[in-house]
Amino acid sequence: QVHLQESGPGLVRPSETLSLTCTVSGGSISSYYWSFIRQPAGKGLEWIGRIHTTGATNYNPTLKNRVTMSIDTSKNHFSLNLTSVTAADTAVYYCARVLIPTRGAFDIWGQGTMVTVSS
Amino acid sequence: EIVMTQSPATLSVSPGERATLSCRASQSIYINLAWYQQKPGQAPRLLIYGASTRAAGIPARFSGSGSGTEFTLTISSLQSEDFAVYYCQQYDSWTFGQGTKVEI
Repeated sequence: QVHLQESGPGLVRPSETLSLTCTVSGGSISSYYWSFIRQPAGKGLEWIGRIHTTGATNYNPTLKNRVTMSIDTSKNHFSLNLTSVTAADTAVYYCARVLIPTRGAFDIWGQGTMVTVSS
Repeated sequence: EIVMTQSPATLSVSPGERATLSCRASQSIYINLAWYQQKPGQAPRLLIYGASTRAAGIPARFSGSGSGTEFTLTISSLQSEDFAVYYCQQYDSWTFGQGTKVEI
């Protein structure tokens, strides 16, 4: 059974870079699209971006200038970098797998990791 | 950006009753729509994709319908474990609705 686990700092200083990794276990990372999604406390869900094992990416236009995703198939993980963070980037960050053959229904999710932006 | 609008914001129902949740897209998304259930402190769970296909392991009391811009999630007979927040999501360009809270 495929399991996703987010990891990274829980506290990031304003203007710095938020970096998270999602490790895939119990199955192969290959041939899928993988995404990051975030959720501020008490609010709704916001898609951040997706990456394929080929390296192809799509990003949320509102975050595009600050987001970079990468993937390492040898380590079965993919990563998110979000630059120039502000308090508005404080949220629970989830990683998720895109269900084949859809373009973006997320069938497996990590448990989420809370990231706070504060000095 | 495709805007997804869910209604109502809160739905109060009794166990055993039928619940109908609506989701409207600001432009046609064909059937590129998913529904999720989220309980407090948990990640969302995929219920429906392709507007009407139940995800693996989802009970038959959950059903989805619609195409284009109007979509519906129906829970035929609410169980205690179904009280949660429900989100629709279009995956033409990946935006979520604001959620409907189903409460007792």
